[in-house]
Amino acid sequence: EPEVTQTPSHQVTQMGQEVILRCVPISNHLYFYWYRQILGQKVEFLVSFYNNEISEKSEIFDDQFSVERPDGSNFTLKIRSTKLEDSAMYFCASSVWGRDNQPQHFGDGTRLSIL
Amino acid sequence: GDSVTQMEGPVTLSEEAFLTINCTYTATGYPSLFWYVQYPGEGLQLLLKATKADDKGSNKGFEATYRKETTSFHLEKGSVQVSDSAVYFCALSDSGTYKYIFGTGTRLKVLA
Repeated sequence: EPEVTQTPSHQVTQMGQEVILRCVPISNHLYFYWYRQILGQKVEFLVSFYNNEISEKSEIFDDQFSVERPDGSNFTLKIRSTKLEDSAMYFCASSVWGRDNQPQHFGDGTRLSIL
Repeated sequence: GDSVTQMEGPVTLSEEAFLTINCTYTATGYPSLFWYVQYPGEGLQLLLKATKADDKGSNKGFEATYRKETTSFHLEKGSVQVSDSAVYFCALSDSGTYKYIFGTGTRLKVLA
């Protein structure tokens, strides 16, 4: 069964540094998403992306965050100047369409640790 | 705004026991409802879904019914196995939005 793959599985970065998290969505999917889960808290929506544009974003997704689909397969989340509170598990997801009844398929996540 | 409330965990059961994990929601539109499962060290896997009132989603012996009158989507399984030990997340996706809203997750531990 096709999977969403995320790399790296664990990223350790110094505060203030830039970090890029990578995702390869399922190949025939058109909508892509990033979520994060701070340890012990809920999984929170960050952003959705379709047709090379952000289609929806949360209040968490401020100017230090950006997303990009640099080629036909990768979908990246960049955090420009990391803060301690960015430490979390980041999940990428994709779906065939963005309609509310279309299930999103999630990757295994990247654990981001900011020192 | 929209929200999902799940019962607090952890839930510890013996093998072959009956499982119920409660989930209630608030939504402004007509949401679709989902249960996801997260096994240790893995990502979120879709377990089942229901897209309209009175729909029953089922998979791997788990089932949940979309109850609009009680705004609930409780997860049930008649006989749990040790391999069902995981964290279970209830989620909704409201009409007109792309995002999922998740509950806090309920950790299930099944003892042999």
